[in-house]
Amino acid sequence: EDQVTQSPEALRLQEGESSSLNCSYTVSGLRGLFWYRQDPGKGPEFLFTLYSAGEEKEKERLKATLTKKESFLHITAPKPEDSATYLCAVVGGDGQNFVFGPGTRLSVLP
Amino acid sequence: DTAVSQTPKYLVTQMGNDKSIKCEQNLGHDTMYWYKQDSKKFLKIMFSYNNKELIINETVPNRFSPKSPDKAHLNLHINSLELGDSAVYFCASSQGGAGGETQYFGPGTRLLVL
Repeated sequence: EDQVTQSPEALRLQEGESSSLNCSYTVSGLRGLFWYRQDPGKGPEFLFTLYSAGEEKEKERLKATLTKKESFLHITAPKPEDSATYLCAVVGGDGQNFVFGPGTRLSVLP
Repeated sequence: DTAVSQTPKYLVTQMGNDKSIKCEQNLGHDTMYWYKQDSKKFLKIMFSYNNKELIINETVPNRFSPKSPDKAHLNLHINSLELGDSAVYFCASSQGGAGGETQYFGPGTRLLVL
């Protein structure tokens, strides 16, 4: 059974304090790993898709990397507007269905 | 110009009632999905559907049924609502159905069963 765990569960950073979020996965035949951002009361907003180990994607202050067992979301010099829950999801095997992790709640303090 | 939209945004109802949630996407995508996000914030797939195939998560009670009048719409019907059905329900869509395509989510419908 495909599984996704994320750590830490919650993270508080000062503005400008860089850090990383972890997504560890167990999946048979990874088809894709996805990062989403979810603000309170809203739907998940797509950030990145990674398909193979070694792949990296960047967008503004965010950078996502992928290995065969985990993915990291690196946040460089975060701002308060980066505060949100960051969700990781995988699709494996012949499945179409995303398996989501529990998310990391990020708070960036001014 | 919302990509994936859902109505209603909020739904408060009594146990035993039957209700529907509507979803529409204007992205031209082939596949649509319903997810449930419970109080612990876990997002879990309920259904995925394209014009060829309906895939049901086996843990979903048969009181829940998706209905698709056309490729751009996937509605969720819930019969005999129970307290445990209270959650946020998200609709999503993706291009193609082979797996691995990015899914785009709607804003969610907050269902409260009293």
